[in-house]
Amino acid sequence: AQSVSQHNHHVILSEAASLELGCNYSYGGTVNLFWYVQYPGQHLQLLLKYFSGDPLVKGIKGFEAEFIKSKFSFNLRKPSVQWSDTAEYFCAVGTGGGADGLTFGKGTHLIIQP
Amino acid sequence: ETGVTQSPTHLIKTRGQQVTLRCSSQSGHNTVSWYQQALGQGPQFIFQYYREEENGRGNFPPRFSGLQFPNYSSELNVNALELDDSALYLCASSLAGSHTGELFFGEGSRLTVL
Repeated sequence: AQSVSQHNHHVILSEAASLELGCNYSYGGTVNLFWYVQYPGQHLQLLLKYFSGDPLVKGIKGFEAEFIKSKFSFNLRKPSVQWSDTAEYFCAVGTGGGADGLTFGKGTHLIIQP
Repeated sequence: ETGVTQSPTHLIKTRGQQVTLRCSSQSGHNTVSWYQQALGQGPQFIFQYYREEENGRGNFPPRFSGLQFPNYSSELNVNALELDDSALYLCASSLAGSHTGELFFGEGSRLTVL
């Protein structure tokens, strides 16, 4: 069974700082990788996803993530964060035909101080 | 808004009771999956329904069961409630065939078991 590890459970940054949230997974086969975000009081929504091709993927609101297969990693980055990026961020892995669901990490609570 | 609606939003039950949670999927989506999110944890896959049949299941006991109706709406039933069942229950809809694609989540039903 696959697992997902997010390195930081709580991150506090100032506006305009650069962001990198770590995500590692354990699974030996082909994976689909996702970052979901949950803003305060809102539902989970997709930030970006990787299925194949260019390992550097771009998502909404200036976020990007890089898939490094040799490191089993899919780290999320943003060069300059804004106060509105305050949210809970979840890394998730999907395998097989999708009927096994997604495996989520425990999440990183990001707080951006103005 | 995702178009995925869940009810009720909050409920309180006692140990041993049974609960039914409901979900209406986004228009055009034929697949529904359910996740349990305990406090401080990421969502955990319970099961997935497609064409009114369960076609994938996570590591949850049989007292967690579900239904999908012809209009693709769904129910999650939990029998013999235990204290550890206290959690946010998330419903997500998607389109079969894009199984590696985006899940659209509802805002969840928060269950408290006393």
